[in-house]
Amino acid sequence: NAGVTQTPKFQVLKTGQSMTLQCAQDMNHEYMSWYRQDPGMGLRLIHYSVGAGITDQGEVPNGYNVSRSTTEDFPLRLLSAAPSQTSVYFCASSYSSGGNSPLHFGNGTRLTVT
Amino acid sequence: GENVEQHPSTLSVQEGDSAVIKCTYSDSASNYFPWYKQELGKRPQLIIDIRSNVGEKKDQRIAVTLNKTAKHFSLHITETQPEDSAVYFCAANKSGGSYIPTFGRGTSLIVHP
Repeated sequence: NAGVTQTPKFQVLKTGQSMTLQCAQDMNHEYMSWYRQDPGMGLRLIHYSVGAGITDQGEVPNGYNVSRSTTEDFPLRLLSAAPSQTSVYFCASSYSSGGNSPLHFGNGTRLTVT
Repeated sequence: GENVEQHPSTLSVQEGDSAVIKCTYSDSASNYFPWYKQELGKRPQLIIDIRSNVGEKKDQRIAVTLNKTAKHFSLHITETQPEDSAVYFCAANKSGGSYIPTFGRGTSLIVHP
């Protein structure tokens, strides 16, 4: 099992550009989510999904879109990048959306917007 | 919604000392409490978790205690080693629906050799 795979590892964008951060898991996990991590701010939830075809907003959803067409994949789209979106992004999944199983994190994507 | 407070934000200890990180939560229905360790430049990884039907759980040098009445849970690391240096996050969650975990802000643990 590869676990949770995120690509790319690093990305530099110019303001206004769009891009997609990829996330895939091979553990047949029901729940998938995206977090951003900024210094001193901990992990902030952007969007999450409790199953294929179902997505919902987290704490900081503005400027991001998600979709969940399959159980395995949960891409995060930046519509028009802004310097405030410079951050480290983690995708995480868990077996159950019922709230009683741990999260498995990907290795992260470090995004810089200039 | 749930609110999780984590203290301290930074903890500095000498190698061999014990370290304790405390979290409090607000929702009495929360019943699952994982702890994650994040080494510098790496992803967070689960190190231990506890469910509300248990008061304490140990795994070698780490332990977690839960006080449901006071709504707080703590991570205890004994005989700290330099490789324990990392950021530690607590989280609270509840089962039975589409519940997402609420994380604490993290504690940066520094173990001096």
